[in-house]
Amino acid sequence: GENVEQHPSTLSVQEGDSAVIKCTYSDSASNYFPWYKQELGKGPQLIIDIRSNVGEKKDQRIAVTLNKTAKHFSLHITETQPEDSAVYFCAARYSGTYKYIFGTGTRLKVLA
Amino acid sequence: AAGVIQSPRHLIKEKRETATLKCYPIPRHDTVYWYQQGPGQDPQFLISFYEKMQSDKGSIPDRFSAQQFSDYHSELNMSSLELGDSALYFCASSLTPKFGGYTFGSGTRLTVV
Repeated sequence: GENVEQHPSTLSVQEGDSAVIKCTYSDSASNYFPWYKQELGKGPQLIIDIRSNVGEKKDQRIAVTLNKTAKHFSLHITETQPEDSAVYFCAARYSGTYKYIFGTGTRLKVLA
Repeated sequence: AAGVIQSPRHLIKEKRETATLKCYPIPRHDTVYWYQQGPGQDPQFLISFYEKMQSDKGSIPDRFSAQQFSDYHSELNMSSLELGDSALYFCASSLTPKFGGYTFGSGTRLTVV
């Protein structure tokens, strides 16, 4: 069935260190993978995305990698800052639909 | 830049009452999606509309219904409310379903007492 697994559920890093969040999806025909950042009391905010025909995408301190064979994709945040603290959700858009299946979220804490 | 507008921001209802949540997409966006997010949970897809027609259906209870109007705004109607319906309800919009990521609104927090 449709499923996106996300790890870890919580992650604490020191300011300036890197953070990596990993997701695995089940539908090999999925073709679009966005990452969302959600702060308390706010809606999810798109921070980066990647399509299935690309292996890696970078935007300043944020990068996403995709391994289609293994059905894995990961979010990498470098030089973390306290304002990066939030819940991060990965998602996969399944073939034939436009809905997203979200991962279970990772609560990232960046310690100053 | 204009964002997705949801109203109301907060809503308190009693069990068995009805509620209507409204969503105004980003101008020119023709696709609207509704998600439900319980406390500490990931967003769960409810339903979506493209050009005023239902395009996808997820785990939306039969007690809920939704529609998209000619101006592309959408309303989620919830009847016979149950305590378990208490959650954040997010609306998102995109320019056609095929284009990239969609933009979420700030959500409506529904509390059923």
